[in-house]
Amino acid sequence: IVVTQSPATLSVSPGERATLSCRASQSVSTNLAWYQQKPGQAPRLLIYGVSTRATGVPATFSGSGSGTEFTLTISTLQSADFAVYYCQQYSNWPGTFGQGTKVEIK
Amino acid sequence: QVQLQESGPGLVKPSETLSLTCTVSGGSVSSDSYYWSWIRQTPEKGLEWIGYIYNSGFTNYNPSLKSRVTISIDTSKNQFSLEVRSVTAADTAVYYCARFWDWLDPWGQGTLVTVSS
Repeated sequence: IVVTQSPATLSVSPGERATLSCRASQSVSTNLAWYQQKPGQAPRLLIYGVSTRATGVPATFSGSGSGTEFTLTISTLQSADFAVYYCQQYSNWPGTFGQGTKVEIK
Repeated sequence: QVQLQESGPGLVKPSETLSLTCTVSGGSVSSDSYYWSWIRQTPEKGLEWIGYIYNSGFTNYNPSLKSRVTISIDTSKNQFSLEVRSVTAADTAVYYCARFWDWLDPWGQGTLVTVSS
């Protein structure tokens, strides 16, 4: 399954809302996760099952969608949120990742 | 809190075997609730899932790498390991280990492995 993220780069001002998109080449039902990666660090799980936040993830992060179209929304961007975000499907083996969306400071 | 740490050589010669170990602390690789996984990341291909292992020794590999990869587990040391044979420059990557149950969490910090003579 090919996973495609858009846009590649998103320029957002602190305090604003960011909306990231993820599309799968075929239905993955609700078997989709989102990860955040900062420079020099490993990816960190944010959301699994499309919309369930991982432990410690603030409520400013929310996920939605099903089938082939998914969205990660960061409601109010904080300085710590500027990073690269990846979606990953785990419906079929091997699970596959999108190429990432970089959220940068505008 | 479970933590994972990769270890192994940072430089491997072409055609040789890349070997990495992941040491788990704060949890057990013998757990019946999780699998243990290896993922790699390159600027060209992004994140690529290599494979995973269960405490029984059951493994599943990415078909793109299956012929060159072995993942093993040592429950007595609370570790699991990765071997990639016949490496080329295309195997240069940051290698991560992670706990796996559909999604990957947590991840180790990653280790850069460069394939070069």
